[in-house]
Amino acid sequence: EAGVTQSPTHLIKTRGQQVTLRCSPISGHTSVYWYQQALGLGLQFLLWYDEGEERNRGNFPPRFSGRQFPNYSSELNVNALELEDSALYLCASSLKSGGSYEQYFGPGTRLTVT
Amino acid sequence: AQSVSQHNHHVILSEAASLELGCNYSYGGTVNLFWYVQYPGQHLQLLLKYFSGDPLVKGIKGFEAEFIKSKFSFNLRKPSVQWSDTAEYFCAVIPTGTASKLTFGTGTRLQVTL
Repeated sequence: EAGVTQSPTHLIKTRGQQVTLRCSPISGHTSVYWYQQALGLGLQFLLWYDEGEERNRGNFPPRFSGRQFPNYSSELNVNALELEDSALYLCASSLKSGGSYEQYFGPGTRLTVT
Repeated sequence: AQSVSQHNHHVILSEAASLELGCNYSYGGTVNLFWYVQYPGQHLQLLLKYFSGDPLVKGIKGFEAEFIKSKFSFNLRKPSVQWSDTAEYFCAVIPTGTASKLTFGTGTRLQVTL
C-alpha cells in the first residue's frame, strides 16, 4: 500500500512569490492535514481538510490556504512568501471515522525562501 | 486547548544504555497519545500509540511507553538503545474520538554514540 506522497521534494522561492505544495493521502483516507516544521519551532499545525472542506486551521495568517479535491488529494498554497516561511511542510492523512485517528506522514516538501 | 511538553531537548547516550524520554500533556478531557520518530533524512514515522486499555504500550523496535493518567505523562522507554536509534522523537496528543489536529511537543534529539 502506497504511503502519503508529496511533491515537490524541494523548492526554492524568492520572498514575495507564491508557492503550491501537493499531497496525496493513503488510499481510503479522507482527512488530510498540513503541518509546518520550522527550525527551532517544532511541528505546528496548519490546516485540516476532510471531505473537501476545511475543518480546522492553525494560528497562521490567511496567506496560507489550501483545498482538498474530490479524490482527497490536497494543495497548500502560500502567498507573498516571507523568509520565515522557510521550513519543511508535512502532509498527513487519516481515516476520519472508525475509531482510529492515527495520522500517517509524507516525506515533506522542503521550502527555502531567499 | 491541549499542549505537550518534552523536557529533554537533546539526549546523548552510549549504545546499550537505557532510555527514558519524558512527555507531559495538558488537556481537560481524554486523549490519545502518540510517539513519532524522525530518523535523519527520513519522514516522520509512528513509533507507538495509546488509545485505551493497558497503559503500557509496546511499539516498534523495542520501544514502549507508559501512560500515567494521574501525572498526565506518556514517557517513552527502551531498555538498551542502539546507534540506529539516533533520531528526533516527538510526543503528540489528540483529543479522544476526534479526527483533529495533532499537538506535538518540541521534540527530543537523541544521539547514540558507539
